[in-house]
Amino acid sequence: DAGVIQSPRHEVTEMGQEVTLRCKPISGHDYLFWYRQTMMRGLELLIYFNNNVPIDDSGMPEDRFSAKMPNASFSTLKIQPSEPRDSAVYFCASTSGPTLGNEQFFGPGTRLTVL
Amino acid sequence: AQSVTQPDIHITVSEGASLELRCNYSYGATPYLFWYVQSPGQGLQLLLKYFSGDTLVQGIKGFEAEFKRSQSSFNLRKPSVHWSDAAEYFCAVGPLSGKLIFGQGTTLQVKP
Repeated sequence: DAGVIQSPRHEVTEMGQEVTLRCKPISGHDYLFWYRQTMMRGLELLIYFNNNVPIDDSGMPEDRFSAKMPNASFSTLKIQPSEPRDSAVYFCASTSGPTLGNEQFFGPGTRLTVL
Repeated sequence: AQSVTQPDIHITVSEGASLELRCNYSYGATPYLFWYVQSPGQGLQLLLKYFSGDTLVQGIKGFEAEFKRSQSSFNLRKPSVHWSDAAEYFCAVGPLSGKLIFGQGTTLQVKP
């Protein structure tokens, strides 16, 4: 299995631009998580889905952030408009919940830099 | 409130020395506990997990952790550290499925 796939691996953009991060979970997993990691705030859960339905988006910073999961094999995290403080590494993770005992498998991350 | 505390932000040990990373949690229900490791530039990888049964659990790479309910702790240990163990370590607590709560992480540096 290829594991969790994220694209792009690096993104550099200018303030005000729209940014879209993509994630392909491991086939068969029914939970998908989006995290953000910064030096200041550590690892933060932004949102997670179960069977493509958002379950908890309380970690989404503000309305500039949105996430979708149109099908079981694809999810996006969008930031519009982007700001320098959004610079971070964004991780996607997936699991099969009880089947795997909630072991989350992480992708390699997308390093976002907003200038 | 549910939380995980890793009291040590940064730890330095000599190669070959023993290691213990501390983790304390606050969780209202039966806790499922995890330790993850993150190498530079990589995502997190599961080292071990505890659900029930024997309170001493073995993981990958020679790591083990002990669950102590009375102390609300789940400390990670390794008898002899290798240079390749230098990384950031995260403790997490959560339900059987769903949202995990992660600690702030402990960065391990290994001296030659």
